[in-house]
Amino acid sequence: GAGVSQSPSNKVTEKGKDVELRCDPISGHTALYWYRQRLGQGLEFLIYFQGNSAPDKSGLPSDRFSAERTGESVSTLTIQRTQQEDSAVYLCASARRRGTNQPQHFGDGTRLSIL
Amino acid sequence: AQKITQTQPGMFVQEKEAVTLDCTYDTSDQSYGLFWYKQPSSGEMIFLIYQGSYDEQNATEGRYSLNFQKARKSANLVISASQLGDSAMYFCAMREDSGGSNYKLTFGKGTLLTVNP
Repeated sequence: GAGVSQSPSNKVTEKGKDVELRCDPISGHTALYWYRQRLGQGLEFLIYFQGNSAPDKSGLPSDRFSAERTGESVSTLTIQRTQQEDSAVYLCASARRRGTNQPQHFGDGTRLSIL
Repeated sequence: AQKITQTQPGMFVQEKEAVTLDCTYDTSDQSYGLFWYKQPSSGEMIFLIYQGSYDEQNATEGRYSLNFQKARKSANLVISASQLGDSAMYFCAMREDSGGSNYKLTFGKGTLLTVNP
C-alpha cells in the first residue's frame, strides 16, 4: 500500500526487555514523526526527523528511548529496559515536507504492552 | 497551560443531524496551523481538515467544516449530516510555525463522538 507502515502491530514483552519498533514512511515524505498515545489520551510528540538534518529529540521521555532514521527511509524506535509505564500505542507519521499546510499521515501504530 | 483544549469528553448526535466539536488553542505564534483527525476504534489516525492561521475563509472538506474564530482562538469542527460511521474519537491538533519549529503536532485529549441511529 501507499500509506505509512508500522511493525509489529502488537508487541507484548516482559518488563526490562528491549523493544524495537519500525516505521516505513510514505515514499517521498521527508519528515517523519514518532508519537506515543497512552490509553484514553491524546498523542505525545517523541521525536522528529527531517531529511538528513539532526533529529529533534525533545519529546523523548528518558534516555531509554532512542530512534534512528537513515536518510528518508525507514525509522526504528528503540526502548531499552522497558517499564510498565511504556505501555502505549506508538504512532509514526510522515509528511511531504516541512510545509505549513502539509498534514501528517499516520500509520496504524504499534500497540506495546509491558507485563 | 494546555495548548489545545477539547472540553467535551463525549458527544452524542442523532444520525443525519449536524454536530459541533469544540476546540480552543493557545499560542503566541502568528503563523500556525490547526488540524482535525478522526480515530476510529480500529486505531488509525485519519486526517480530516486543515486551517491555516492566515486563511481568511473557513476550511471545508465534504461534510466537514472548521469554524475558525481567530480572536477567540477557537477552531471547532462541524460535521453535517452525521453518519453511523462517524462514531469515533476526534482530535484537534496545532502546529506552531515559529523559527526552528519542527512542525510537530500538539494534540488535545479528544472527543468521543457517538452517532445514534
